[in-house]
Amino acid sequence: EPEVTQTPSHQVTQMGQEVILRCVPISNHLYFYWYRQILGQKVEFLVSFYNNEISEKSEIFDDQFSVERPDGSNFTLKIRSTKLEDSAMYFCASTQGRTGELFFGEGSRLTVL
Amino acid sequence: QKEVEQDPGPLSVPEGAIVSLNCTYSNSAFQYFMWYRQYSRKGPELLMYTYSSGNKEDGRFTAQVDKSSKYISLFIRDSQPSDSATYLCAMSDPNRDDKIIFGKGTRLHILP
Repeated sequence: EPEVTQTPSHQVTQMGQEVILRCVPISNHLYFYWYRQILGQKVEFLVSFYNNEISEKSEIFDDQFSVERPDGSNFTLKIRSTKLEDSAMYFCASTQGRTGELFFGEGSRLTVL
Repeated sequence: QKEVEQDPGPLSVPEGAIVSLNCTYSNSAFQYFMWYRQYSRKGPELLMYTYSSGNKEDGRFTAQVDKSSKYISLFIRDSQPSDSATYLCAMSDPNRDDKIIFGKGTRLHILP
């Protein structure tokens, strides 16, 4: 069964460092998303991406965040200068159409010290 | 009022019982309604997906949407210990369906 894969599964970084989280969405999907979940809290929308551009972003997704689809398979989330409050589980998701049937990856746990 | 409200639980029920989980919402533009299951430290997994009002059944799971009351439910019949997880409701507005809004999730424990 096709799945969304994410790397790394866990990353520990120092405050102020840049972090890149990587995702390989399901191959025939067209819409890509990043969500985050701070421990014990709800899953929060960060950004959606379609046709090589951001289609929507939340207020969380400020200038420190960026997304890229550098080739036909990878979808990355970059945090330029990490803050303590960026510590969370980051989930990549993809869907074939704009119908809400999101398929999530296993997540990348980011710990900022 | 929050866009999506969901009781975080925990909810503990004995094995074999019927489980009822629910969410309320405030945005009348929501048309797509979903239930996800999330095991500890894993990604959410889509369980049920419905469009607009009505019922949908899939095995032991039934999803109900009452748009007039802005209330959605997930019923689990013959609950099993493997159903123990966090259940997240989610919904979206088709005019803005790039952004899916999740509830906080309800932690469910099925007691053997």
